[in-house]
Amino acid sequence: DQQVKQNSPSLSVQEGRISILNCDYTNSMFDYFLWYKKYPAEGPTFLISISSIKDKNEDGRFTVFLNKSAKHLSLHIVPSQPGDSAVYFCAASENYKLSFGAGTTVTVRA
Amino acid sequence: DTAVSQTPKYLVTQMGNDKSIKCEQNLGHDTMYWYKQDSKKFLKIMFSYNNKELIINETVPNRFSPKSPDKAHLNLHINSLELGDSAVYFCASSSRTTTYEQYFGPGTRLTVT
Repeated sequence: DQQVKQNSPSLSVQEGRISILNCDYTNSMFDYFLWYKKYPAEGPTFLISISSIKDKNEDGRFTVFLNKSAKHLSLHIVPSQPGDSAVYFCAASENYKLSFGAGTTVTVRA
Repeated sequence: DTAVSQTPKYLVTQMGNDKSIKCEQNLGHDTMYWYKQDSKKFLKIMFSYNNKELIINETVPNRFSPKSPDKAHLNLHINSLELGDSAVYFCASSSRTTTYEQYFGPGTRLTVT
């Protein structure tokens, strides 16, 4: 029973353009939403988070948008850089526990 | 300085054996976790300890037993290993006030033959 879903397994984007990653969730009790980035053979790295009471959070090139009524969040990366090529996991938090999506593999083309 | 470290990084063993994976964090966090990433790449919480006390215990076979000797360490012991236990196991830690912001170790790839 996946409570967090990333329906796009992969995304290819040209360097300098915007990357938009999407995530849907079903549990209304989630209080924080996060994005993690993962390189091969490494652990996930925390990227950015957003509280359920906000609709936008920005950190440098990364912006996360939350639409609670649609139970949807997205991550925008502007501009995309080659080092952004990785797997991005959407996650949601409830009482110490993180529930993860299946991940989206982003490839940034030169 | 490695924030969250795990040993070993790779573990190949036969069915029926008992093995342990160790995790240490030097971030001063008081909450630690074990996650399993299966063949479909889903990351799923297994256990969580806060100040050496078990606070999350998901539906995991009781062949898996976590042990936290102190706040900086959380080890995972697995008895009678089965083929289906093959996966990547990640340790993570967080502070009590920001439990959603978890820091992960590099993972231990367990292969059971």
